[in-house]
Amino acid sequence: QKEVEQNSGPLSVPEGAIASLNCTYSDRVSQSFFWYRQYSGKSPELIMSIYSNGDKEDGRFTAQLNKASQYVSLLIRDSQPSDSATYLCAVNPALTGGGADGLTFGKGTHLIIQP
Amino acid sequence: DAGITQSPRHKVTETGTPVTLRCHQTENHRYMYWYRQDPGHGLRLIHYSYGVKDTDKGEVSDGYSVSRSKTEDFLLTLESATSSQTSVYFCAISERGGEHNEQFFGPGTRLTVL
Repeated sequence: QKEVEQNSGPLSVPEGAIASLNCTYSDRVSQSFFWYRQYSGKSPELIMSIYSNGDKEDGRFTAQLNKASQYVSLLIRDSQPSDSATYLCAVNPALTGGGADGLTFGKGTHLIIQP
Repeated sequence: DAGITQSPRHKVTETGTPVTLRCHQTENHRYMYWYRQDPGHGLRLIHYSYGVKDTDKGEVSDGYSVSRSKTEDFLLTLESATSSQTSVYFCAISERGGEHNEQFFGPGTRLTVL
């Protein structure tokens, strides 16, 4: 069974610091990885996607992927109170037959940025 | 924001009644998905569609059926609602299938089955 694991938190980070969110996955042949942000009572919002080993930066966000270790992370620099949310890691499992399987999600990490 | 709407946004129903949730998109994306989100379980795939009249089951499809007669609409039906189907339901769309299938979510429907 494909699994995506995240620490549920809460992860508390002071304003202005770097928040580091981690995710591990079980399906070794997974190819695509996504980070979503979800505010309480709202829908998930895609903030980063990463497909190759290494780092991908977008503004204050950096996604890091290490397929050998089956590990993906999200760094948020200069954390702001508005970054307080639940962050969901999602993995596109290995495809069979060329279909469009849905994503496998972790349960999310609750991040709190303390002013 | 991706042009995705869901209706109704909130619904309370009774056990044994049929319920249909609608997802409507204006992006002309080929792929559409239904997920449910429950505390302690995260988001789980119910059904998905890879084109008009083309659908397949996801991880938690028992008790649910879907239909897609037009590109823009994807319907989720609970034939006979049970209390275990109380959840928040999200629709998602994707322009691509396979790898790189970034999915964008609708606002969700909160369903309560009494």
